[in-house]
Order: sequence, then structure tokens, then C-alpha cells
Amino acid sequence: DAGVIQSPRHEVTEMGQEVTLRCKPISGHNSLFWYRQTMMRGLELLIYFNNNVPIDDSGMPEDRFSAKMPNASFSTLKIQPSEPRDSAVYFCASSRRSVDEQFFGPGTRLTVL
Amino acid sequence: KNQVEQSPQSLIILEGKNCTLQCNYTVSPFSNLRWYKQDTGRGPVSLTIMTFSENTKSNGRYTATLDADTKQSSLHITASQLSDSASYICVVSLNDYKLSFGAGTTVTVRA
Repeated sequence: DAGVIQSPRHEVTEMGQEVTLRCKPISGHNSLFWYRQTMMRGLELLIYFNNNVPIDDSGMPEDRFSAKMPNASFSTLKIQPSEPRDSAVYFCASSRRSVDEQFFGPGTRLTVL
Repeated sequence: KNQVEQSPQSLIILEGKNCTLQCNYTVSPFSNLRWYKQDTGRGPVSLTIMTFSENTKSNGRYTATLDADTKQSSLHITASQLSDSASYICVVSLNDYKLSFGAGTTVTVRA
């Protein structure tokens, strides 16, 4: 198995631009998670999907952030408009069931200038 | 206040030596405690998962211990190798999907 796949690996954009991060979970996993990692706050859960349905989006910082999971093999995290404080590493993780081990992707390093 | 506190923040050890990382948590009850290894520029990878009833769990040269009474866990690395240089994150599972992450301990192994 290829593991969790994320793209792009690096993204540099200017303030105000729209950013879309992509994730392909491990096949057969029904739970998908988006995390953000910064030096100041460590790893934070942004949103959790179960069977493609958003279950917990309480970690989404504000309305500029949105996430979708149109099918079991694809999810996006969108930031519009982006701000410099959104600069961080964004991880996608998946697990077979919500209680099982979460497997993390390689992350997308986002820099907003 | 973070529910999971790790110490030290960073440490440097010589190749071949042992080291122990500490984790104190305030979360109660919890379903399991996990230790993750995160190499620079990569996502965290699970090393061990322990339920509250387990006292120890090993994965090769990594041994995790758990004391549910004192709410402490430790990760012991035996005979360190250069490839052990990474950040080690203590994670407590709050419910079926929500995890509380420590800030991590950065380990540097020098030849």
C-alpha cells in the first residue's frame, strides 16, 4: 500500500490567494483526519470525516477554512483567502475505524507570504 | 493548559547510548496512550499503543511504559542509532477519534 498521499508537498502563495490541499487516504480506511502542525501549537485536529461525512469540524479555525470528502478516496482542505498566520504543515491521516491507529501522510508545508 | 506535557524538550545523546523520554498527562479517563516518531519533514509514525490496563509495550529498541496511577508514561530508547534522531510525540486518546498531542521531545543522536 502506498500509504496516505498528500499533494502538493510544498505550497508558497501570497496573502489573499486560495489554497487547496489534497489527500488520498489508505484504501479501506473509513476515517479521515486533517491536522495542522505549528511550532507554537503542535498538532491540532482541524476536521474528522467518517464514511465521507464530516463528524467534527470544531477545530476549523474560521470560515476561511473548508474541507470536503466527495468520495472514499479523496479529500480536500481549502483556505480562502489565505493569510500569513495560516503558514504551517498540514497533515492528512486515515484509519480503518475511528478507534484504530491513524496513519499520517507526509504533509503539505504551506507558506503564505 | 496542555493536557499532555513532555520532557525534556530536547536532548542530545551519543550513538549507542540509551535515553528515556517522559510524558505526564492530565486526561482521565482515556482509551489509550500512543508514542509517535516524527522524522524531519515527514508525518508522525506510530511506535507503540497502550491501553490504560497495560504497563509496558515494546517495539524493537523502543519500550514504552505506563503508570495510570501517577498518569505518567515513558519511552526508552536502547542502544540509540543515528536514525533515531527525530521528534517523539506522546499522544493520549480522549475518545474514539480525538487525540491530545504533547509538544514532543527532539532527540539528536551524534556519532
